Amino acid sequence: DAKTTQPTSMDCAEGRAANLPCNHSTISGNEYVYWYRQIHSQGPQYIIHGLKNNETNEMASLIITEDRKSSTLILPHATLRDTAVYYCIVRYSRTNDYKLSFGAGTTVTVRA
Amino acid sequence: SAVISQKPSRDICQRGTSLTIQCQVDSQVTMMFWYRQQPGQSLTLIATANQGSEATYESGFVIDKFPISRPNLTFSTLTVSNMSPEDSSIYLCSVASSRNEQYFGPGTRLTVT
Repeated sequence: DAKTTQPTSMDCAEGRAANLPCNHSTISGNEYVYWYRQIHSQGPQYIIHGLKNNETNEMASLIITEDRKSSTLILPHATLRDTAVYYCIVRYSRTNDYKLSFGAGTTVTVRA
Repeated sequence: SAVISQKPSRDICQRGTSLTIQCQVDSQVTMMFWYRQQPGQSLTLIATANQGSEATYESGFVIDKFPISRPNLTFSTLTVSNMSPEDSSIYLCSVASSRNEQYFGPGTRLTVT
């Protein structure tokens, strides 16, 4: 699986959009981009994933660049409860291969 | 999404003993996974638990230290054997859905003294 690079930490203001970048310059055509987050003392929570089109769900939007070498997770209106470590993971889309390789992630702190 | 529970939620154990962690899912799933999260670190995959076959271990993890059972499609156990303080971690199970998503349990916080 391709390696990802994320900033170590970032702050954002409550009520504003939080834009979390991720670089995955070695991504291959069969690899998806996944985002998970881990709130303190809890198990990771699935947020969203995509292959090449932008995706949106009730939690967030995922913007993938045309060359697929980077992506941005957007939390449209950050709340204090969004404070967590956010993991960007690239995973091969082969059936029956669901393993996830977690990096260090981005520690996001939402401030009032 | 799947609802996953783990028992115990936390435990304090003496070195040299073993602890079995249970993972229960509210629906039938093909693939279950066990992860370890050492203090201040990210998650590391220990093994994939497949129903009806031996678990598949990742590099650095062996069956004698982390035996896994998978008796049916909703349940799995992970045993941490002959524990040492270095085994103090959070142990998490997860399941893969048919939509390529993965869901995690709340974790078991283990402290070895």
